[in-house]
Amino acid sequence: SQKIEQNSEALNIQEGKTATLTCNYTNYSPAYLQWYRQDPGRGPVFLLLIRENEKEKRKERLKVTFDTTLKQSLFHITASQPADSATYLCASNSGGYQKVTFGTGTKLQVIP
Amino acid sequence: GAVVSQHPSWVICKSGTSVKIECRSLDFQATTMFWYRQFPKQSLMLMATSNEGSKATYEQGVEKDKFLINHASLTLSTLTVTSAHPEDSSFYICSARGGQGNEKLFFGSGTQLSVL
Repeated sequence: SQKIEQNSEALNIQEGKTATLTCNYTNYSPAYLQWYRQDPGRGPVFLLLIRENEKEKRKERLKVTFDTTLKQSLFHITASQPADSATYLCASNSGGYQKVTFGTGTKLQVIP
Repeated sequence: GAVVSQHPSWVICKSGTSVKIECRSLDFQATTMFWYRQFPKQSLMLMATSNEGSKATYEQGVEKDKFLINHASLTLSTLTVTSAHPEDSSFYICSARGGQGNEKLFFGSGTQLSVL
């Protein structure tokens, strides 16, 4: 069955360092991958989308990669700040194009 | 960006009562909305896809008679939890695509349901 997974439940990192989060998918080939940020008690907020024919996307301090060989996406936050502390979710289309399913999320804690 | 408004933010109800949650797209038309459920420290589980003017498509294992979805207009979808029980207590979130052909999802702020 199709799976999208984030193997790290939590990641602690020192302020100023680069945080790297991993998302893996199995048994399907997503047309795109997305990354969202979710704060406690709130709905997720869209950050970045990368398509299967793109290797890398950047937005300010954020960078996302898409490796179809490894079936993996990496999400990087450079010069991390305490305000970046949140849960980050990867997502992709599934069951065709319309549905979007989410990984389990990685809770990032940036320590001052 | 597109704004999705969800109400109420939280609701406490007695077991056996029904609860309605509204999801509105404020500045765009949403032909498709999605309803998710999230348990503490877990990811979002897709419950159903709501299509304007037609019946919702439910995911496997989701009882359509228990979770009634109505998408009567291009800006409003509702989820009614019928005869709620304590095990229905959860965080419910709606989302919509930000326009035709747009893969991004815009989410409501969520509804925390507590059934006593």
